[in-house]
Amino acid sequence: NAGVMQNPRHLVRRRGQEARLRCSPMKGHSHVYWYRQLPEEGLKFMVYLQKENIIDESGMPKERFSAEFPKEGPSILRIQQVVRGDSAAYFCASSPPGQNTQYFGPGTRLTVL
Amino acid sequence: GENVGLHLPTLSVQEGDNSIINCAYSNSASDYFIWYKQESGKGPQFIIDIRSNMDKRQGQRVTVLLNKTVKHLSLQIAATQPGDSAVYFCADVTGGFKTIFGAGTRLFVKA
Repeated sequence: NAGVMQNPRHLVRRRGQEARLRCSPMKGHSHVYWYRQLPEEGLKFMVYLQKENIIDESGMPKERFSAEFPKEGPSILRIQQVVRGDSAAYFCASSPPGQNTQYFGPGTRLTVL
Repeated sequence: GENVGLHLPTLSVQEGDNSIINCAYSNSASDYFIWYKQESGKGPQFIIDIRSNMDKRQGQRVTVLLNKTVKHLSLQIAATQPGDSAVYFCADVTGGFKTIFGAGTRLFVKA
Protein backbone atom coordinates (compact mmCIF):
# COMPACT_ATOMS: atom_id res chain seq x y z
CA ASN A 1 0.00 0.00 0.00
CA ALA A 2 1.80 3.09 -1.22
CA GLY A 3 1.91 6.08 1.06
CA VAL A 4 1.06 9.65 0.20
CA MET A 5 2.91 10.65 -2.93
CA GLN A 6 3.98 14.12 -3.88
CA ASN A 7 5.64 15.40 -6.98
CA PRO A 8 7.83 16.95 -7.89
CA ARG A 9 10.06 16.51 -4.86
CA HIS A 10 12.02 19.62 -5.80
CA LEU A 11 10.79 22.52 -7.87
CA VAL A 12 12.70 25.62 -8.93
CA ARG A 13 10.86 28.61 -10.31
CA ARG A 14 11.77 32.17 -11.17
CA ARG A 15 9.83 35.05 -9.73
CA GLY A 16 6.56 35.54 -11.57
CA GLN A 17 6.26 31.95 -12.79
CA GLU A 18 3.61 29.46 -11.69
CA ALA A 19 4.22 26.49 -9.42
CA ARG A 20 2.03 23.38 -9.47
CA LEU A 21 2.43 20.86 -6.70
CA ARG A 22 0.72 17.50 -6.89
CA CYS A 23 -0.41 15.15 -4.18
CA SER A 24 -1.81 11.64 -4.52
CA PRO A 25 -3.39 10.50 -1.25
CA MET A 26 -3.16 7.02 0.12
CA LYS A 27 -5.56 4.50 -1.34
CA GLY A 28 -8.97 4.84 0.25
CA HIS A 29 -8.27 8.32 1.62
CA SER A 30 -10.67 10.99 0.46
CA HIS A 31 -9.41 13.85 2.63
CA VAL A 32 -6.37 15.89 1.69
CA TYR A 33 -4.56 18.62 3.62
CA TRP A 34 -1.82 20.97 2.52
CA TYR A 35 0.80 22.46 4.83
CA ARG A 36 3.73 24.79 4.38
CA GLN A 37 6.97 24.56 6.32
CA LEU A 38 9.76 27.09 6.54
CA PRO A 39 13.23 25.91 7.68
CA GLU A 40 13.45 25.16 11.39
CA GLU A 41 9.73 25.81 11.85
CA GLY A 42 6.62 23.74 12.31
CA LEU A 43 4.11 23.05 9.60
CA LYS A 44 1.44 25.67 8.96
CA PHE A 45 -2.00 24.49 7.91
CA MET A 46 -3.12 25.87 4.54
CA VAL A 47 -6.17 24.06 3.24
CA TYR A 48 -8.33 20.99 3.76
CA LEU A 49 -10.12 19.39 0.84
CA GLN A 50 -12.39 16.49 0.17
CA LYS A 51 -13.17 15.23 -3.30
CA GLU A 52 -14.34 18.23 -5.35
CA ASN A 53 -14.84 20.35 -2.23
CA ILE A 54 -12.75 22.83 -0.28
CA ILE A 55 -13.67 22.35 3.37
CA ASP A 56 -11.38 24.88 5.03
CA GLU A 57 -8.94 27.23 3.33
CA SER A 58 -8.40 29.56 6.26
CA GLY A 59 -4.62 29.06 6.19
CA MET A 60 -4.16 29.77 2.53
CA PRO A 61 -3.28 33.27 1.28
CA LYS A 62 -6.19 34.84 -0.57
CA GLU A 63 -4.03 35.97 -3.46
CA ARG A 64 -2.08 33.76 -5.88
CA PHE A 65 -2.75 30.46 -4.06
CA SER A 66 -5.41 27.95 -4.99
CA ALA A 67 -6.04 24.28 -4.35
CA GLU A 68 -8.23 21.61 -5.86
CA PHE A 69 -8.97 17.94 -5.40
CA PRO A 70 -10.86 16.74 -8.46
CA LYS A 71 -12.99 13.66 -8.65
CA GLU A 72 -10.25 11.94 -10.60
CA GLY A 73 -6.55 12.54 -10.22
CA PRO A 74 -4.30 14.12 -7.62
CA SER A 75 -4.84 17.18 -5.50
CA ILE A 76 -3.10 20.26 -6.90
CA LEU A 77 -1.73 23.22 -5.00
CA ARG A 78 -1.18 26.06 -7.41
CA ILE A 79 0.86 29.17 -6.73
CA GLN A 80 0.68 31.87 -9.35
CA GLN A 81 3.30 34.59 -9.87
CA VAL A 82 5.63 33.13 -7.28
CA VAL A 83 7.76 35.39 -5.11
CA ARG A 84 10.88 34.58 -3.11
CA GLY A 85 8.84 34.39 0.08
CA ASP A 86 7.00 31.37 -1.34
CA SER A 87 10.17 29.30 -1.05
CA ALA A 88 9.36 26.56 1.45
CA ALA A 89 8.58 22.90 1.79
CA TYR A 90 4.97 22.07 1.01
CA PHE A 91 3.56 18.94 2.56
CA CYS A 92 0.43 17.10 1.74
CA ALA A 93 -1.35 14.75 4.13
CA SER A 94 -4.34 12.48 3.69
CA SER A 95 -6.77 10.72 5.96
CA PRO A 96 -9.56 8.21 5.43
CA PRO A 97 -13.19 9.16 6.02
CA GLY A 98 -14.12 9.19 9.69
CA GLN A 99 -10.57 9.18 10.99
CA ASN A 100 -8.48 12.08 12.18
CA THR A 101 -4.95 10.74 11.79
CA GLN A 102 -3.19 12.39 8.89
CA TYR A 103 -0.48 10.63 6.93
CA PHE A 104 2.10 12.88 5.37
CA GLY A 105 3.86 12.75 2.04
CA PRO A 106 7.58 13.47 1.55
CA GLY A 107 6.95 17.08 0.58
CA THR A 108 7.81 19.33 -2.34
CA ARG A 109 10.63 21.75 -1.80
CA LEU A 110 9.96 24.91 -3.75
CA THR A 111 12.78 27.32 -4.45
CA VAL A 112 12.00 30.67 -6.04
CA LEU A 113 14.97 32.38 -7.63
CA GLY B 1 -3.85 33.77 18.66
CA GLU B 2 -3.93 30.14 19.78
CA ASN B 3 -0.64 28.38 19.38
CA VAL B 4 1.34 25.38 20.42
CA GLY B 5 4.91 25.94 21.51
CA LEU B 6 7.86 24.05 22.91
CA HIS B 7 10.03 24.72 25.94
CA LEU B 8 13.29 23.28 24.57
CA PRO B 9 14.44 23.78 21.01
CA THR B 10 17.19 21.12 21.21
CA LEU B 11 17.76 18.07 23.35
CA SER B 12 20.87 15.92 23.47
CA VAL B 13 20.75 12.51 25.16
CA GLN B 14 22.98 9.52 25.50
CA GLU B 15 22.00 6.35 23.69
CA GLY B 16 20.03 4.16 26.05
CA ASP B 17 18.82 7.01 28.23
CA ASN B 18 15.23 8.17 28.36
CA SER B 19 14.22 11.35 26.54
CA ILE B 20 11.53 13.79 27.55
CA ILE B 21 10.30 16.39 25.10
CA ASN B 22 7.94 19.04 26.39
CA CYS B 23 5.25 21.14 24.81
CA ALA B 24 2.95 23.91 26.01
CA TYR B 25 -0.35 24.64 24.33
CA SER B 26 -2.88 27.40 24.74
CA ASN B 27 -5.98 26.19 22.95
CA SER B 28 -8.19 24.71 25.65
CA ALA B 29 -10.70 23.65 22.96
CA SER B 30 -8.36 21.14 21.34
CA ASP B 31 -9.91 17.73 20.68
CA TYR B 32 -6.69 15.84 20.87
CA PHE B 33 -2.95 16.11 20.58
CA ILE B 34 -0.42 14.39 18.38
CA TRP B 35 3.31 13.91 18.43
CA TYR B 36 5.08 13.71 15.09
CA LYS B 37 8.66 12.81 14.25
CA GLN B 38 10.31 14.42 11.26
CA GLU B 39 13.60 13.22 9.87
CA SER B 40 15.66 15.39 7.58
CA GLY B 41 14.16 15.65 4.11
CA LYS B 42 11.03 13.71 5.02
CA GLY B 43 7.46 14.43 5.96
CA PRO B 44 6.22 14.19 9.56
CA GLN B 45 5.59 10.70 10.82
CA PHE B 46 2.81 10.02 13.32
CA ILE B 47 4.12 8.71 16.63
CA ILE B 48 1.29 8.78 19.13
CA ASP B 49 -1.80 10.76 19.94
CA ILE B 50 -3.90 11.41 23.01
CA ARG B 51 -7.47 12.58 23.40
CA SER B 52 -8.20 15.60 25.55
CA ASN B 53 -10.13 13.43 28.06
CA MET B 54 -7.07 11.30 28.80
CA ASP B 55 -3.94 12.11 30.75
CA LYS B 56 -1.62 9.32 29.65
CA ARG B 57 -1.17 7.01 26.74
CA GLN B 58 1.55 4.49 26.04
CA GLY B 59 2.89 3.11 22.83
CA GLN B 60 5.95 1.12 21.91
CA ARG B 61 8.80 2.83 23.81
CA VAL B 62 6.85 6.09 23.87
CA THR B 63 4.50 7.62 26.41
CA VAL B 64 2.54 10.83 26.06
CA LEU B 65 1.38 12.71 29.12
CA LEU B 66 -1.24 15.42 29.06
CA ASN B 67 -1.71 17.89 31.92
CA LYS B 68 -4.72 20.00 31.11
CA THR B 69 -4.43 22.03 34.29
CA VAL B 70 -1.22 23.65 33.12
CA LYS B 71 -1.78 22.98 29.40
CA HIS B 72 1.32 20.87 29.07
CA LEU B 73 2.11 17.89 26.90
CA SER B 74 5.18 15.68 27.00
CA LEU B 75 6.62 12.84 24.99
CA GLN B 76 8.78 10.31 26.74
CA ILE B 77 10.99 8.00 24.71
CA ALA B 78 12.42 5.04 26.60
CA ALA B 79 15.90 3.68 25.84
CA THR B 80 16.60 6.30 23.18
CA GLN B 81 18.31 4.97 20.07
CA PRO B 82 20.31 6.72 17.33
CA GLY B 83 17.37 6.20 15.00
CA ASP B 84 15.30 8.42 17.27
CA SER B 85 17.35 11.46 16.24
CA ALA B 86 14.94 13.81 14.50
CA VAL B 87 12.81 16.88 15.05
CA TYR B 88 9.74 16.22 17.16
CA PHE B 89 6.60 18.29 16.83
CA CYS B 90 3.61 18.41 19.07
CA ALA B 91 0.37 19.42 17.44
CA ASP B 92 -3.15 20.07 18.63
CA VAL B 93 -6.25 19.28 16.65
CA THR B 94 -9.56 21.08 16.74
CA GLY B 95 -12.72 20.52 14.77
CA GLY B 96 -11.56 17.01 13.97
CA PHE B 97 -8.94 18.06 11.44
CA LYS B 98 -7.40 21.48 11.98
CA THR B 99 -3.86 20.66 13.08
CA ILE B 100 -1.69 23.37 14.60
CA PHE B 101 1.97 22.46 14.89
CA GLY B 102 4.47 23.70 17.42
CA ALA B 103 7.92 24.89 16.41
CA GLY B 104 9.68 21.57 17.08
CA THR B 105 12.44 20.13 19.25
CA ARG B 106 15.54 18.66 17.71
CA LEU B 107 16.65 15.47 19.44
CA PHE B 108 20.30 14.40 19.19
CA VAL B 109 21.19 10.92 20.35
CA LYS B 110 24.85 10.44 21.22
CA ALA B 111 26.29 6.97 20.70
